[in-house]
Amino acid sequence: KAGVTQTPRYLIKTRGQQVTLSCSPISGHRSVSWYQQTPGQGLQFLFEYFSETQRNKGNFPGRFSGRQFSNSRSEMNVSTLELGDSALYLCASSPGRDRGINEQFFGPGTRLTVL
Amino acid sequence: GNSVTQMEGPVTLSEEAFLTINCTYTATGYPSLFWYVQYPGEGLQLLLKATKADDKGSNKGFEATYRKETTSFHLEKGSVQVSDSAVYFCALSGRGSSNTGKLIFGQGTTLQVKP
Repeated sequence: KAGVTQTPRYLIKTRGQQVTLSCSPISGHRSVSWYQQTPGQGLQFLFEYFSETQRNKGNFPGRFSGRQFSNSRSEMNVSTLELGDSALYLCASSPGRDRGINEQFFGPGTRLTVL
Repeated sequence: GNSVTQMEGPVTLSEEAFLTINCTYTATGYPSLFWYVQYPGEGLQLLLKATKADDKGSNKGFEATYRKETTSFHLEKGSVQVSDSAVYFCALSGRGSSNTGKLIFGQGTTLQVKP
């Protein structure tokens, strides 16, 4: 099976712009979660989508949003970029059937740099 | 709330040395526990998991036992190799709708193995 793919791998934007990142989960997986990884804050949960519905959300401002399509592919959007949004954004997929076990498989990430 | 604490790094070992990376957690109920590994420039790879007390997860010579009495999930390997050099993350997945799709990570421990 192909793994989780993320596009683009690298992105450079300037403050105030917006950005859209894409994630394709493992075939058959219906849950997609997004994380932000920074040296200072570590790995932080952004949100999770299952069957096109957001099921859970972390403590991030409304500038961070996402969506999921009927084929389970997901996008996240960050509007009005700030310097502090520079990070590695990781997407993870799981079957989503059992809310408790939650074994997730990660993509390679998108490295976003905000200038 | 739920949290994970890992030992501070970096950890520097010689090849064939014994490895222990400590991980303790705070959670209500019975979380699932995971170890992930991240190589430079890559996403996270699931190393092993345990879903209930006294479960032992193992993979590629690494082991960790879910200890509910001490709320710990320490990672061990009997003989490390240079190729094991990476950042290791302990993570938990809590039960209930507020934890759906969400992994909580420790801060990560950098392991460097010297020949």
